[in-house]
Amino acid sequence: SYVLTQTPSVSVAPGQTATITCGGKNIETKSVHWYQQKPGQAPVLVVYDDSARPSGIPERFSGSNSGNTATLTIRRVEAGDEADYYCQVRDSTNDHYVFGAGTKVTVL
Amino acid sequence: QVQLVESGGGVVQPGGSLRLSCAGSGFTFSTYGMHWVRQAPGKGLEWVAFINYDGTKKYHADSVKGRFTISRDNSKNTLYLQMNSLRTEDAAVYFCAKDWWRGLDYWGQGTLVTVSS
Repeated sequence: SYVLTQTPSVSVAPGQTATITCGGKNIETKSVHWYQQKPGQAPVLVVYDDSARPSGIPERFSGSNSGNTATLTIRRVEAGDEADYYCQVRDSTNDHYVFGAGTKVTVL
Repeated sequence: QVQLVESGGGVVQPGGSLRLSCAGSGFTFSTYGMHWVRQAPGKGLEWVAFINYDGTKKYHADSVKGRFTISRDNSKNTLYLQMNSLRTEDAAVYFCAKDWWRGLDYWGQGTLVTVSS
């Protein structure tokens, strides 16, 4: 089955840039979606299809996907961005959906 | 606005059964696929099952295959998850989520399932 690998944690100062990676074999051939989850809340879709933003998501959130790594970038980080972030893809070999283990973003 | 409201969670003994429900509103329920995703305490998200818009295609994670069954009743705008032979490792918050062909765009607030003797 397809596996997604995320760095467990990232720390970033306010105003700086947070980079969250999601590794998978030939992940560039898949559409990657990213979710933000704050404590006690349901996940929220922040990037879909590698780099598109749903309505209402700030432009500070962006994504890319190349080779074996997809990346979520949060520019001008704010305290409110502190959350867990998960990448997700669909495994077309078995029609299963896969989440990465998540990355905890801490704003210093 | 889109709303997804889960219900049916609770405490069940190992080996027991439970049926979760998810009521959808604010969108045309019968035209979208739906998912169940769970999250064990302090852990990450785990996809559980998917059903397509008319219920003709169903996929379950290997961890629940043969024990859990996803279904839907479009006349009631409701998604279900029948959980049998529950194990302690099935304890989690269970979320239902709407499929958008580009990710899961709306999620419910979740319902807690506790498996304990």
